[in-house]
Amino acid sequence: GQNIDQPTEMTATEGAIVQINCTYQTSGFNGLFWYQQHAGEAPTFLSYNVLDGLEEKGRFSSFLSRSKGYSYLLLKELQMKDSASYLCAVRDHRDDKIIFGKGTRLHILP
Amino acid sequence: EPEVTQTPSHQVTQMGQEVILRCVPISNHLYFYWYRQILGQKVEFLVSFYNNEISEKSEIFDDQFSVERPDGSNFTLKIRSTKLEDSAMYFCASSVSTGANYGYTFGSGTRLTVV
Repeated sequence: GQNIDQPTEMTATEGAIVQINCTYQTSGFNGLFWYQQHAGEAPTFLSYNVLDGLEEKGRFSSFLSRSKGYSYLLLKELQMKDSASYLCAVRDHRDDKIIFGKGTRLHILP
Repeated sequence: EPEVTQTPSHQVTQMGQEVILRCVPISNHLYFYWYRQILGQKVEFLVSFYNNEISEKSEIFDDQFSVERPDGSNFTLKIRSTKLEDSAMYFCASSVSTGANYGYTFGSGTRLTVV
């Protein structure tokens, strides 16, 4: 099975940088995803990591360390619209599905 | 940008009734999924579907649930006899592949309320 842990809530200030951590345990690993979900809406795909290292995409970056079972999502130059839940999700190489963590609710203060 | 379309956006049904939730995946996608999210909880996997058959299902997806791809475009989730605890947001998702960096594209969801 899989176990995914991420903080429940975080607060940051507009214009600042925030890092959301995720740790996971899985019997096999075939990629880690980050999704953004605004309240009442569908998850939207942000990033994918399958190899160790940093993937940068505009204001958002995602890092993976497979040996540590660890990832983080880094959000720079925070904007009010970044207030949302951020979902860490893992795919097992044997499975045809991705499993989500409980999500981190990010509050942005002006 | 291509979208996954779900209908209806809201559905209210009486306990014990059957409901069918409909989805139109992105046209060149081959893998289809249903997830659900009970209010305030995490997104939970229900079932995956490929090549006209279920490839994987979770413990939640019991005999009350079924999926179908009746034609080349629709993908449906049926709940045979709804229970109060089936109240949730149901998301359909599709993917062109299970490999590489293909994330799932989610539809906007159907909010199911069982009364």
